Amino acid sequence: DIQMTQSPSTLSASVGDRVSVTCRASQSISSWLAWYQQKPGKSPKLLIYQASSLESGVPSRFSGSGSGTEFTLTISSLQPEDFATYYCQQYKSFALTFGGGTKVEIK
Amino acid sequence: EVQLVESGGGLVQPGGSLRLSCAASGFTFSSSAMNWVRQAPGKGLEWVSGISSGGSNTNYADSVKGRFTISRDKSKNTLYLQMNNLRAEDTAIYYCASSGRGYYYMDVWGKGTTVTVSS
Repeated sequence: DIQMTQSPSTLSASVGDRVSVTCRASQSISSWLAWYQQKPGKSPKLLIYQASSLESGVPSRFSGSGSGTEFTLTISSLQPEDFATYYCQQYKSFALTFGGGTKVEIK
Repeated sequence: EVQLVESGGGLVQPGGSLRLSCAASGFTFSSSAMNWVRQAPGKGLEWVSGISSGGSNTNYADSVKGRFTISRDKSKNTLYLQMNNLRAEDTAIYYCASSGRGYYYMDVWGKGTTVTVSS
């Protein structure tokens, strides 16, 4: 199985900050990567697919980049509603796998 | 409105069985691959199983292979997960999620149903 490793596991930031989350794959997955946001008590929400394509309705402050084994989710200016946990997921091959998550907390 | 509604969760003893259901509405269910994803208390997301739009191809995580069976009924717009020989480590919220664009990322999620395996 392809292992997905996210860093950091926790990130403390302030409103207005630019923040980045990294996701590394144990082997090349080309651009077969998605990012999700999950708030406490809620189901996950798709933000980015194909590594850099923004899902409809998702604010443009979210962006994704990378290919191969290293990927980044960037929030250009953190808003109060962005405090949540973020997960990457590879869909190059089964078993589909998620990263361990990055919790973005208020500093 | 695109919607996925899970049901069938509950408390079950180790070794027992449960069948989860996921009712789909607001989109063409028969054209979408579907998945089950779970989240143990306080933990991250774990993909459990996926099924192709036509139902002919199924895939499972190693942790559930041989114990869980995914299926779908296009006449009822419903996805199922039959879970047998349940273990304590299967305790989680189980989410139903669609992959409606030809690739296995999850574009629509249900609210989840909780499965607790305990004596």
